[in-house]
Amino acid sequence: EAGVVQSPRYKIIEKKQPVAFWCNPISGHNTLYWYLQNLGQGPELLIRYENEEAVDDSQLPKDRFSAERLKGVDSTLKIQPAELGDSAVYLCASSRGDRIGREQFFGPGTRLTVL
Amino acid sequence: DQQVKQNSPSLSVQEGRISILNCDYTNSMFDYFLWYKKYPAEGPTFLISISSIKDKNEDGRFTVFLNKSAKHLSLHIVPSQPGDSAVYFCAARFSGANNLFFGTGTRLTVIP
Repeated sequence: EAGVVQSPRYKIIEKKQPVAFWCNPISGHNTLYWYLQNLGQGPELLIRYENEEAVDDSQLPKDRFSAERLKGVDSTLKIQPAELGDSAVYLCASSRGDRIGREQFFGPGTRLTVL
Repeated sequence: DQQVKQNSPSLSVQEGRISILNCDYTNSMFDYFLWYKKYPAEGPTFLISISSIKDKNEDGRFTVFLNKSAKHLSLHIVPSQPGDSAVYFCAARFSGANNLFFGTGTRLTVIP
């Protein structure tokens, strides 16, 4: 079974530029998560999708961050414009979402560096 | 405010000895706890979990203990192996919820 796929793995941009990250979850996983992991910290949830619906985006900075999961499968997280403080690893995870299959499987992450 | 805390940023243990990683939480409404292991340049991978109705869960060399009254859990690895060297994250979840709250991680180094 293929794991969670993320691209790109690394991205370096200048501040004020836009950037987008892509995630393909495990097949059949209807719940998708985007996490932010700062250096020396644990992952922090940005947004959670149940199929194509964003059911928890309370931690997403909506002035510059946006996300979509149009067909309930792949997802894209966008930052526009990027700021220096956005430098971090952006992790995508997926789970079946039901009570038995709530274990989250993580992708390798995208390491963003904003110069 | 951090609801799940791992106060030891790093731990070094000799191969073959026991590794004990600790985690504290502040919210008594958490009812499910997990440990994730993370190698460099990889995402966290699930290791072991425990429900709040239990005080111990064992899986091979890994055992998690939960002390609800102290709001404390620990992960024991016996015997420790060099391949166990990684960052270990403690995470917690509310009843019926999917969202995880992570600690800041402990970097375990197992010395051959």
